[in-house]
Amino acid sequence: DQQVKQNSPSLSVQEGRISILNCDYTNSMFDYFLWYKKYPAEGPTFLISISSIKDKNEDGRFTVFLNKSAKHLSLHIVPSQPGDSAVYFCAASEGSSGSARQLTFGSGTQLTVLP
Amino acid sequence: DVKVTQSSRYLVKRTGEKVFLECVQDMDHENMFWYRQDPGLGLRLIYFSYDVKMKEKGDIPEGYSVSREKKERFSLILESASTNQTSMYLCASSSTGWWGMNTEAFFGQGTRLTVV
Repeated sequence: DQQVKQNSPSLSVQEGRISILNCDYTNSMFDYFLWYKKYPAEGPTFLISISSIKDKNEDGRFTVFLNKSAKHLSLHIVPSQPGDSAVYFCAASEGSSGSARQLTFGSGTQLTVLP
Repeated sequence: DVKVTQSSRYLVKRTGEKVFLECVQDMDHENMFWYRQDPGLGLRLIYFSYDVKMKEKGDIPEGYSVSREKKERFSLILESASTNQTSMYLCASSSTGWWGMNTEAFFGQGTRLTVV
């Protein structure tokens, strides 16, 4: 049973337009959410995160929105650039005392930005 | 910059072989993780460690073991490799931040393991 779901395996967007990647989660204990970007044959790289005490976090062209009541988050990229073409993973973790926080990942969305 | 280094980019092993995947991080992170990535399944956690000699099972530990004898090094062991363990293996590390919240995890470049 997937606790983090990315229902769109792929998304194509024209260069300069907005890319919106979506992610849903089922575990109400998740309180920290992250987006990673992954190019082929490379490890994922961290993009942006948001704590559950916020509903929006912005970093340059990237903005993450969190809707806790809907258990939904989204990543907005504007304007989209061809170099943004990659697989984007949504991840979530829950608070715990003691041991390391595990990240639970979604299945990923392949974003293609068309020139 | 944080650096997480995996010993091999590509490995080909035979069924039944014992396989060692090594990972080293240089940022004194407490936590280290092993994931595997498969198409349509995302990244799934195999094992993680929050301290030297400590280990905890992730979501799919069957067929794997781990070793953490030094803080900077975390090894994944396939006791007897099988074809269904053909996958991309990713190591990651993170520190335990403010109020116990982890900072983001940093990943190595991945090891593409093929078991024939």
